[in-house]
Amino acid sequence: DQQVKQNSPSLSVQEGRISILNCDYTNSMFDYFLWYKKYPAEGPTFLISISSIKDKNEDGRFTVFLNKSAKHLSLHIVPSQPGDSAVYFCAASLNNYGQNFVFGPGTRLSVLP
Amino acid sequence: KAGVTQTPRYLIKTRGQQVTLSCSPISGHRSVSWYQQTPGQGLQFLFEYFSETQRNKGNFPGRFSGRQFSNSRSEMNVSTLELGDSALYLCASSSRVGGNTIYFGEGSWLTVV
Repeated sequence: DQQVKQNSPSLSVQEGRISILNCDYTNSMFDYFLWYKKYPAEGPTFLISISSIKDKNEDGRFTVFLNKSAKHLSLHIVPSQPGDSAVYFCAASLNNYGQNFVFGPGTRLSVLP
Repeated sequence: KAGVTQTPRYLIKTRGQQVTLSCSPISGHRSVSWYQQTPGQGLQFLFEYFSETQRNKGNFPGRFSGRQFSNSRSEMNVSTLELGDSALYLCASSSRVGGNTIYFGEGSWLTVV
């Protein structure tokens, strides 16, 4: 039973356009969310986080939106660059339960020049 | 500031053997967690240590164990290796427990033959 879902295994976007990666979760108790980018043969790189007390967090080209009622979050990358091509994971945790993050299966983003 | 360092990066073991992987967290970070990544199961939480104490444990058999030292460095051990233990083992560190970003190392690639 997947608690964190990323229903799009892959996504292709033209360079300069917006990339939108989606993530859904089933446990309404999750209250802290992270996005990571991962290149092959490397560890995941932290991108951006959001706490359940917020509905939006921005950092440069990356914006994460959280819709608690829908148990949905999304990562927007604007503008998309070829170097953004990677696998993106969302992760969720319960604030008081340490670093036991539940990861989604990932979405492979390809940014085409 | 140096990132999370994992050793060894690559190793090959035979079924039935045991393996020890090492992780040095980011300086000042006291929480260390371990994750296993496989193509079929994605990123799965193994366990987390804080101040030399195991705080959380995922759903892995007792063959998987870990420890943390007073300098926050951590090791994980897998005994009686099985072919299915072949995976990328990722260590992550954080400055505190609960609702905080975790930063990953490059991982240790374990192949069991």
